[in-house]
Amino acid sequence: QKEVEQNSGPLSVPEGAIASLNCTYSDRGSQSFFWYRQYSGKSPELIMSIYSNGDKEDGRFTAQLNKASQYVSLLIRDSQPSDSATYLCAATLSGGYQKVTFGTGTKLQVIP
Amino acid sequence: EPEVTQTPSHQVTQMGQEVILRCVPISNHLYFYWYRQILGQKVEFLVSFYNNEISEKSEIFDDQFSVERPDGSNFTLKIRSTKLEDSAMYFCASRRSGLTYEQYFGPGTRLTVT
Repeated sequence: QKEVEQNSGPLSVPEGAIASLNCTYSDRGSQSFFWYRQYSGKSPELIMSIYSNGDKEDGRFTAQLNKASQYVSLLIRDSQPSDSATYLCAATLSGGYQKVTFGTGTKLQVIP
Repeated sequence: EPEVTQTPSHQVTQMGQEVILRCVPISNHLYFYWYRQILGQKVEFLVSFYNNEISEKSEIFDDQFSVERPDGSNFTLKIRSTKLEDSAMYFCASRRSGLTYEQYFGPGTRLTVT
């Protein structure tokens, strides 16, 4: 079974700190990786995509990809209470029409 | 900014009834998807749709499910005879083209089967 794995948390960080969220995937053929944010009762909201090894920065968010280790991470700098949500790691696996396979999500709590 | 829209936001139906969930993908997008999320569980792929036909479907997407793009804007998911276990949030998503992989999700339809 091709999976995306995440620690369910909750991960608690103080306001202003860096939150680090991690994800591993099992299919070496995975090509594209995404981080979605999901507030309770709402739909997934795309916040980052990453396709190549290394770092990709967008504002306070940095996604990191290491294909050799099959590892994806998301760093949130200067965490705000409004960042409190569940963060879903997702991957498009090899083959198919780019269906997205989601992890179970990590719940982030930013403490004021 | 263009968004995926879905109607209704909440649908309550009795077991055995047919339901149709509606989606309007982003207008210049070519790939369409349905996902579902049972309360407390992860988002699961149901079906992908491209060029007016199903391109891939999951094991969940059995004969009780069907999808259709009846016109140039709407994309529908039909469940013919609902079961209690079909209760979930159903999300429609769309992707622009074969060269971009980001999928954008609609707000979802909460389906409650009683």
